[in-house]
Amino acid sequence: EAGVAQSPRYKIIEKRQSVAFWCNPISGHATLYWYQQILGQGPKLLIQFQNNGVVDDSQLPKDRFSAERLKGVDSTLKIQPAKLEDSAVYLCASSLDGRQPQHFGDGTRLSIL
Amino acid sequence: GQQLNQSPQSMFIQEGEDVSMNCTSSSIFNTWLWYKQEPGEGPVLLIALYKAGELTSNGRLTAQFGITRKDSFLNISASIPSDVGIYFCAGDSGGGADGLTFGKGTHLIIQP
Repeated sequence: EAGVAQSPRYKIIEKRQSVAFWCNPISGHATLYWYQQILGQGPKLLIQFQNNGVVDDSQLPKDRFSAERLKGVDSTLKIQPAKLEDSAVYLCASSLDGRQPQHFGDGTRLSIL
Repeated sequence: GQQLNQSPQSMFIQEGEDVSMNCTSSSIFNTWLWYKQEPGEGPVLLIALYKAGELTSNGRLTAQFGITRKDSFLNISASIPSDVGIYFCAGDSGGGADGLTFGKGTHLIIQP
């Protein structure tokens, strides 16, 4: 089975610019997650979707971060405007139903200049 | 919020040695998971534990879900070079409405 697909793999932007990441979960997986992983730390949850609805976005900095999963399959995560502290790897994960283990994509490595 | 304390932070071992790492939490988790991450890749699931006291093996890997539901350990027997990477524990509060809470990782380095 194909894994979680993410693009782009790398992105370099200047602070105050905008950036968007894309995720395609494992086929049939209803639950999708976005995590932020800062260098030297474990991933931290940003937002969780169940189909096209948000389940938990309590740790998403909503003044600059937004995410959507309009058709309940692919998802995009956007940062506008970016700050230096947003430099991190952004990981997407999916789960069959939120109770089964999560499987991760290889992430997008974001560097802010 | 919930925090996981993972130790050791790093391990330098010789090939063939056994490895042990653990994770503790101030909160109860309903599921414990262990992931391995290599440079430039996402975390890969190694073992999932669903019941307090459960002991599960996956090849040379063995993990246990602590009886108090606040801790877990992972053992790797007879380490080989491809075991190099960062190992993360993760806790799931359950119910399908929470993401995972991750530890800071144990960086395993195998010396030739």
